[in-house]
Amino acid sequence: DTGVSQDPRHKITKRGQNVTFRCDPISEHNRLYWYRQTLGQGPEFLTYFQNEAQLEKSRLLSDRFSAERPKGSFSTLEIQRTEQGDSAMYLCASSFEGGSNQPQHFGDGTRLSIL
Amino acid sequence: AQSVTQLGSHVSVSEGALVLLRCNYSSSVPPYLFWYVQYPNQGLQLLLKYTSAATLVKGINGFEAEFKKSETSFHLTKPSAHMSDAAEYFCAVSLFGNQFYFGTGTSLTVIP
Repeated sequence: DTGVSQDPRHKITKRGQNVTFRCDPISEHNRLYWYRQTLGQGPEFLTYFQNEAQLEKSRLLSDRFSAERPKGSFSTLEIQRTEQGDSAMYLCASSFEGGSNQPQHFGDGTRLSIL
Repeated sequence: AQSVTQLGSHVSVSEGALVLLRCNYSSSVPPYLFWYVQYPNQGLQLLLKYTSAATLVKGINGFEAEFKKSETSFHLTKPSAHMSDAAEYFCAVSLFGNQFYFGTGTSLTVIP
């Protein structure tokens, strides 16, 4: 079990630039989740996939945010035209399908800083 | 609507003392409840989960939590705090099979 891997760990960019983060879930897991975590807050759910299907995306923060999981394995989260308020930790998690009792396993996150 | 409330954003205990971190949930359906721990610059690690099999749930590192339906609570406890327990703790509720809601977290400080 290699755990959930996220890349990069840190990203610093200028306002207005596009950024893309990658998440590699635990290989046996078919569900993948993206969260945003700001300082002093708990993770905020953004979207999730079951295999390659994006089953919930209404909670993506704006149309500048998009996520893909083209082959049902790794996923990417893209933020276009970044703004100061996008500075946060972006967390990825994965789990088995199987309902609400399946715990999510988290990666160490990508910390985004907007200059 | 807020699904999870963690009372006390900061808790300090002496090494060896009881740890009590509070979590209350609001849900019209039986929830699944989780406690996670987060160390600085890391992701969240599962401590324990409640899935209706037993109301007292034992987790890793000596932590346990008790589900009390009448109080809509799922408080986390540990009999004796260690320095290594200093971290951020999050309570989470899972609803409808696909949505996790996290509390705002409780920062635990352990005083030597």
